[in-house]
Amino acid sequence: AQSVTQPDIHITVSEGASLELRCNYSYGATPYLFWYVQSPGQGLQLLLKYFSGDTLVQGIKGFEAEFKRSQSSFNLRKPSVHWSDAAEYFCAVGERGGYQKVTFGTGTKLQVIP
Amino acid sequence: ETGVTQTPRHLVMGMTNKKSLKCEQHLGHNAMYWYKQSAKKPLELMFVYNFKEQTENNSVPSRFSPECPNSSHLFLHLHTLQPEDSALYLCASSQGDGSGNEQFFGPGTRLTVL
Repeated sequence: AQSVTQPDIHITVSEGASLELRCNYSYGATPYLFWYVQSPGQGLQLLLKYFSGDTLVQGIKGFEAEFKRSQSSFNLRKPSVHWSDAAEYFCAVGERGGYQKVTFGTGTKLQVIP
Repeated sequence: ETGVTQTPRHLVMGMTNKKSLKCEQHLGHNAMYWYKQSAKKPLELMFVYNFKEQTENNSVPSRFSPECPNSSHLFLHLHTLQPEDSALYLCASSQGDGSGNEQFFGPGTRLTVL
């Protein structure tokens, strides 16, 4: 069965600093990989996705993520964090085929301090 | 309206009440999902409908009853709930054809069971 691990429950960064959120997955083949963001009281919004091809994917709001097959990782990065980036971030892995069952990680809550 | 909408946004109910959550997607998708999001727990997939057929029931108690009358609408009927059912209930939709498309989420219904 597929699974996702986000080892950091909570991260605090200063505004303007760089950010990296970790994600490790378990899946028997090349997965579909996603990063979602959730603001308080809201649903999840897709930041970026990896299906195939270039292992460095660009997303919205200046985020990027790199798929590293050898490490089973899909870490999310941003070079300079803005206060509006404070939210909860979820990594997810999806099955290939069918309706595409997606398994989510437990999330990383990001706090941004001035 | 665009995207995925959910009503009501907030719901308070007693354990003996019967209520329904509604989800509507305006994206032309064929798959729809119900998730439960509780504090400090991973997002839990409850039900999946693909082309109006239920393809997944993740061992959900029978006090939750889904209904999918067409590919655009999804309901979650609630009856005799327990306080531990209090959570954010998220609806999502996707293309459902195995092409790896991401899931689009609604804003959720915050349910409180007294």
